[in-house]
Amino acid sequence: EPEVTQTPSHQVTQMGQEVILRCVPISNHLYFYWYRQILGQKVEFLVSFYNNEISEKSEIFDDQFSVERPDGSNFTLKIRSTKLEDSAMYFCASLGQGGEKLFFGSGTQLSVL
Amino acid sequence: AQRVTQPEKLLSVFKGAPVELKCNYSYSGSPELFWYVQYSRQRLQLLLRHISRESIKGFTADLNKGETSFHLKKPFAQEEDSAMYYCALTPVSGGYNKLIFGAGTRLAVHP
Repeated sequence: EPEVTQTPSHQVTQMGQEVILRCVPISNHLYFYWYRQILGQKVEFLVSFYNNEISEKSEIFDDQFSVERPDGSNFTLKIRSTKLEDSAMYFCASLGQGGEKLFFGSGTQLSVL
Repeated sequence: AQRVTQPEKLLSVFKGAPVELKCNYSYSGSPELFWYVQYSRQRLQLLLRHISRESIKGFTADLNKGETSFHLKKPFAQEEDSAMYYCALTPVSGGYNKLIFGAGTRLAVHP
């Protein structure tokens, strides 16, 4: 079965630093998402992306966050100036046209020190 | 407000026992409901969705609109069912635009 790939699996950064989390969605998929899960809490929707623009974003996805699909394969989440509370597991997901199933990546564990 | 509630953080059963993982939702429209599963050290994956009405790995879930519930059931639990289970909803009009997850229930099946 095809997979969504996320890199790195772990990222440690200092507070105030910029981080870029990378995702390679499944190749013919058109809809892309970022979710996060703070330790011990529920998985939370951050943003959805379609046709090269954000289609919906949550309250969490403030001006410090941005997403980009710089080429035909990658989908990135950038956090401009990380805060301690950004520490979480970040999941990328993708969906094909008329998709029946959302495919999740294995996640990037972000630790902000 | 859109909300998914899974009241049990942990459900511990013995192999062969019936399992019911509870899920209640709050949504003003008619959402689509899902169960996702995360086995140890693996990624989140779809277990089943209510519109397909199929049974996956022996699990079933019936949407009860009157009780706003979507409980996950299996008549005889197996050790390999041990995992984290998440109930989720998406607004039908938005399709898969976003999933709203419950907090998850850890199912532990003991031999």
